[in-house]
Amino acid sequence: TQLLEQSPQFLSIQEGENLTVYCNSSSVFSSLQWYRQEPGEGPVLLVTVVTGGEVKKLKRLTFQFGDARKDSSLHITAAQPGDTGLYLCAGIFKNAGKSTFGDGTTLTVKP
Amino acid sequence: KAGVTQTPRYLIKTRGQQVTLSCSPISGHRSVSWYQQTPGQGLQFLFEYFSETQRNKGNFPGRFSGRQFSNSRSEMNVSTLELGDSALYLCASSFGEGYEQYFGPGTRLTVT
Repeated sequence: TQLLEQSPQFLSIQEGENLTVYCNSSSVFSSLQWYRQEPGEGPVLLVTVVTGGEVKKLKRLTFQFGDARKDSSLHITAAQPGDTGLYLCAGIFKNAGKSTFGDGTTLTVKP
Repeated sequence: KAGVTQTPRYLIKTRGQQVTLSCSPISGHRSVSWYQQTPGQGLQFLFEYFSETQRNKGNFPGRFSGRQFSNSRSEMNVSTLELGDSALYLCASSFGEGYEQYFGPGTRLTVT
């Protein structure tokens, strides 16, 4: 079974703090996506990473793909209440072609 | 380019009834996947259609079915609704296997 594990499951921080969430697997990804979902809405695609060691930045969000393409991290600098939401990672496995989703990290940023 | 659209956005049904949900993918996308999302179970894969053929299926009872039309639009049907079917149903489209998925806003189904 190919699984994606996300940690932490829940994270509550104050506005202005930095944070990192993780997405890990024992299998190799051909690509990995990060999504943010707000309550009652569909997940919105934030980024796709493809190359091992790749780093992508989206304003205050920094996404990193592990060198072995088995893990990824999302770092948020100076979090704001608008960053509150469920962060999901999805991996497309090298030998499968299908997407598999992690259970997500629920982030709450308090003003 | 227009995103994935889902109709209706909200639906209230009674136990035992059936329901049909609709999804229009992004233009050019031929793959449509359906997911059920509940607070306790996360995102659960229902099925995926590509060029009118069901290619993959999740672990859901036969009450859940779907189809895809020649224009790639897809419908999902749930028969004999149960209280536990209350959830956010999400549709996602992509060019196909190996490509990233784009989600619609979801249909919130409440079964009473």
